[in-house]
Amino acid sequence: ETGVTQSPTHLIKTRGQQVTLRCSSQSGHNTVSWYQQALGQGPQFIFQYYREEENGRGNFPPRFSGLQFPNYSSELNVNALELDDSALYLCASSPADSHSGANVLTFGAGSRLTVL
Amino acid sequence: GQNIDQPTEMTATEGAIVQINCTYQTSGFNGLFWYQQHAGEAPTFLSYNVLDGLEEKGRFSSFLSRSKGYSYLLLKELQMKDSASYLCAVRDSNYQLIWGAGTKLIIKP
Repeated sequence: ETGVTQSPTHLIKTRGQQVTLRCSSQSGHNTVSWYQQALGQGPQFIFQYYREEENGRGNFPPRFSGLQFPNYSSELNVNALELDDSALYLCASSPADSHSGANVLTFGAGSRLTVL
Repeated sequence: GQNIDQPTEMTATEGAIVQINCTYQTSGFNGLFWYQQHAGEAPTFLSYNVLDGLEEKGRFSSFLSRSKGYSYLLLKELQMKDSASYLCAVRDSNYQLIWGAGTKLIIKP
């Protein structure tokens, strides 16, 4: 089975620009969540998508938005980039029943965004 | 607020045993996870605890005490490849994962 794949792996943007990050979930998983991980920190939950609907959101402003497609792949869009948005953005997929048991997240390798 | 505390960094010797502690204060509790993250790589799942007690999986064990808001990850027979960051995460009442900052474990020969 294929794992979670993310693209691009690295990118550099300037303040005020917009960025789109992409994620393909693991086969059989229909829930996708996005995390921001600053250097030396743990992941911070941005939001989660299930069946193309956002069903959970962390403490991030509206300029962080997302989409999930019928094939369960997902996009994270960030508008009006700020210097503090520089981080590793991780996508994770999980099976449908995300509220029970050891619902293990399978992470992609991440997209490292640098904002200058 | 919600808070997960872990030591920032620990050092241990190859072949030895190390215990990484995690304390948490969250709005509700629906399970605790440990993940391993090598530098520049994705976090990978190690263990899950939802009831008090010890869960053993090969060289790795994880313990949970819900009344104390405390968990630890125990790594035995340390190998150089165990050098990584170890992340503690708690699933809260909204089923969101709250993550600690991670403990960087350095293994010396």
